Amino acid sequence: DGGITQSPKYLFRKEGQNVTLSCEQNLNHDAMYWYRQDPGQGLRLIYYSQIVNDFQKGDIAEGYSVSREKKESFPLTVTSAQKNPTAFYLCASSIGTGFNSPLHFGNGTRLTVT
Amino acid sequence: QKEVEQDPGPLSVPEGAIVSLNCTYSNSAFQYFMWYRQYSRKGPELLMYTYSSGNKEDGRFTAQVDKSSKYISLFIRDSQPSDSATYLCAMSNTGNQFYFGTGTSLTVIP
Repeated sequence: DGGITQSPKYLFRKEGQNVTLSCEQNLNHDAMYWYRQDPGQGLRLIYYSQIVNDFQKGDIAEGYSVSREKKESFPLTVTSAQKNPTAFYLCASSIGTGFNSPLHFGNGTRLTVT
Repeated sequence: QKEVEQDPGPLSVPEGAIVSLNCTYSNSAFQYFMWYRQYSRKGPELLMYTYSSGNKEDGRFTAQVDKSSKYISLFIRDSQPSDSATYLCAMSNTGNQFYFGTGTSLTVIP
């Protein structure tokens, strides 16, 4: 089955530690995205990538970093510089720019930092 | 003003009712409109994807877009308890930047 796999489902970290969230897709989509979801705030874009080895900051990129070394993979690192990292993180993909296609989401990673 | 406004609810209806969910938006350049269903602790699942104005039907779901009023709706007929979820509207003008509503929480009571 084609889809987006995020792992782990739940992640717990101590304050001051960096943590990396995994996102893999087998949909052959060019574009990949990271969103953060907080209660009452909707989805906020962290980073997106339209092609391999290229990515752009979204609305709330501070304290986060990404890489896109392979088409299938778009890991997100939450660094110690992120002031309020506890949230539900969603990875998504779409066919890509120039195509009229919606976003498809993974099932998310819930990160708790204490 | 937010790009997309969506009433958060919560909305509670009896089983079998017709549900109407709505979003308004401010950017007249939006051309692509989506509705997602999100169950608790899961990722959003695409329900409907429409382009420009008009209606689109898929089973019990109908998506309606009125670009002149900057207003979109999702209707759910014969609602079921399994429809209980949060519904997110989303829209795009370029196909690679997406704007989301905050979601409406729906409960269908058996």
